[in-house]
Amino acid sequence: QSVLTQPPSASGTPGQRVTISCSGSSSNIGSYAVNWYQQFPGAAPKLLIYDNNQRPSGVPDRFSGSKSGTSASLAISGLQSEDEADYYCGAWDDSLNGLFGGGTKLTVL
Amino acid sequence: QVTLRESGPALVKPTQTLTLTCTFSGFSLSASGMCVSWIRQPPGKALEWLARIDWDDDKYYSTSLKTRLTISKDTSKNQVVLTMTNMDPVDTATYYCARPSPCGGMTFDFWGQGALVTVSS
Repeated sequence: QSVLTQPPSASGTPGQRVTISCSGSSSNIGSYAVNWYQQFPGAAPKLLIYDNNQRPSGVPDRFSGSKSGTSASLAISGLQSEDEADYYCGAWDDSLNGLFGGGTKLTVL
Repeated sequence: QVTLRESGPALVKPTQTLTLTCTFSGFSLSASGMCVSWIRQPPGKALEWLARIDWDDDKYYSTSLKTRLTISKDTSKNQVVLTMTNMDPVDTATYYCARPSPCGGMTFDFWGQGALVTVSS
């Protein structure tokens, strides 16, 4: 069981806005930046959001991140079929361990 | 251009030791602020952070696996090696090496393609 808690699944229809949550504690999300990764089947994860709310170049501005206290969220607006993937949050921890969430499978209906 | 590539055996037997090599280019592990991490993902399951080695040879290990893991670097070859002892079928996973930037966090801007390791007799 992951220390960072994500819902196992999320869904939406094209054009909708979907949010995925990531819940942690004061020793991880509460103290360190949260990052989000997008992963397609058979591929390595791709950095989607870093430092809580920053987008690497090339990531559409439909993707946004936020953090408040010990929780973070990834929002996808204008949902598209190609957004169907697995999404993971990640953060460092005071125990000097890296942590990932359990992952959220996003389905575009 | 930064690239990373994992190499190692595709199949290991239970109780054996796994040795994986990450060969990278586009940066140097002798440069201040550089580091490399290992991450794994069992089939159909979540990512799991394993270890990190820094430019100054500082090393960090997953608390749950630290007794079984050793990470090392060869800066002259641009390689990072991960060994995991006493392999078990539950260790079957795709093993990735990735570059955290900056070192102290979980921002992995570049990943290898992954190496699938199956543990079976």
